[in-house]
Amino acid sequence: GDSVTQMEGPVTLSEEAFLTINCTYTATGYPSLFWYVQYPGEGLQLLLKATKADDKGSNKGFEATYRKETTSFHLEKGSVQVSDSAVYFCALLTGANSKLTFGKGITLSVRP
Amino acid sequence: GAGVSQSPRYKVAKRGQDVALRCDPISGHVSLFWYQQALGQGPEFLTYFQNEAQLDKSGLPSDRFFAERPEGSVSTLKIQRTQQEDSAVYLCASSLARAGVSNQPQHFGDGTRLSIL
Repeated sequence: GDSVTQMEGPVTLSEEAFLTINCTYTATGYPSLFWYVQYPGEGLQLLLKATKADDKGSNKGFEATYRKETTSFHLEKGSVQVSDSAVYFCALLTGANSKLTFGKGITLSVRP
Repeated sequence: GAGVSQSPRYKVAKRGQDVALRCDPISGHVSLFWYQQALGQGPEFLTYFQNEAQLDKSGLPSDRFFAERPEGSVSTLKIQRTQQEDSAVYLCASSLARAGVSNQPQHFGDGTRLSIL
């Protein structure tokens, strides 16, 4: 079945540090890939998405590239801010059933 | 607001009681999803509606879980004879897309945190 694997957390960084959060997936067919973010006390929000191989999703300084050859969708940001502290979830969606399959999530804490 | 609304925000019940969780999707959204999120885990799919039709209920953990969306808008997730392992956050999401159309995002509500004592 479909699955998403995220790197173990939590991750703690200093402000302005470079961020990489790894995500790999297993899926039948050709999934769309997503990063969702959950800020403290809030619901899940879509951060970015990519719907086909080699697409790059970007939003709020975050980027992720759909790599079919390595089945990966790693999240990167060049300079994190304290306000980026949140839980980040990688997810995939296959068209056949439309359900999202999520990774476990990783907590990012950014200190001033 | 125009987002997905869930109620109640928190629910505490004794083991064995029945509970009902409500979801108001974004107006006009065809698809509605329920997910269960255990502490420290990612959300896991429970069930999916396209309008009033329940097209996929493969994620419901037992026959104590029942969901409905009778008029294709508001949905209710009901859990009968609750058990401690039912304690989790229950998330509702809606989407403009029908099944098979993957380029429309799912918009999530803030969830209902259910605690079974």
